[in-house]
Amino acid sequence: DAMVIQNPRYQVTQFGKPVTLSCSQTLNHNVMYWYQQKSSQAPKLLFHYYDKDFNNEADTPDNFQSRRPNTSFCFLDIRSPGLGDAAMYLCATSRDKGFNEKLFFGSGTQLSVL
Amino acid sequence: QQQVKQSPQSLIVQKGGISIINCAYENTAFDYFPWYQQFPGKGPALLIAIRPDVSEKKEGRFTISFNKSAKQFSLHIMDSQPGDSATYFCAAGKTTNAGKSTFGDGTTLTVKP
Repeated sequence: DAMVIQNPRYQVTQFGKPVTLSCSQTLNHNVMYWYQQKSSQAPKLLFHYYDKDFNNEADTPDNFQSRRPNTSFCFLDIRSPGLGDAAMYLCATSRDKGFNEKLFFGSGTQLSVL
Repeated sequence: QQQVKQSPQSLIVQKGGISIINCAYENTAFDYFPWYQQFPGKGPALLIAIRPDVSEKKEGRFTISFNKSAKQFSLHIMDSQPGDSATYFCAAGKTTNAGKSTFGDGTTLTVKP
């Protein structure tokens, strides 16, 4: 039973064409994270929501935006995708932020930019 | 950005053998050290995590050893099985926000039958 669901599994977009990736969770967790993972590299945190509070990482490009309309859903918007934005995008959730709060990852969306 | 250095990049082990992956961190303020397992086409999954107030934590065949003075920690997989073949990531961060942990670059483990 998938608890963190990412759609679509694969997304192809054109250079400069806005794209939105979605994440939903059935866990009722407070925290939702978006990571970018390029091939054979570590996941890199882009931003996270703690409830409705948005927290952007300092080195996340302005091209990346996020929305969390409710507890269950979170979206990643890439306003003008470049070739360098091709990657796996991972969504994760946790009940809270502490040590005992396990991260649950979705299966990711593989984004290709043509 | 704080670095987490992971080695080796790839590892091949025979079935039944011990797999050992090492990580080193820089920031002495870190107090949360998890290991994640990732299969191809899937998101990472938390395997085991440790805090610096203990030197070892064991869960089944997986053990984390932690050396606070050396700022190093390692994952030992005992009796490695072909089903353990995956990419393993260490990470280091703060218990106040586990999701902001810095990941190592990963180790691809292949366990041969």
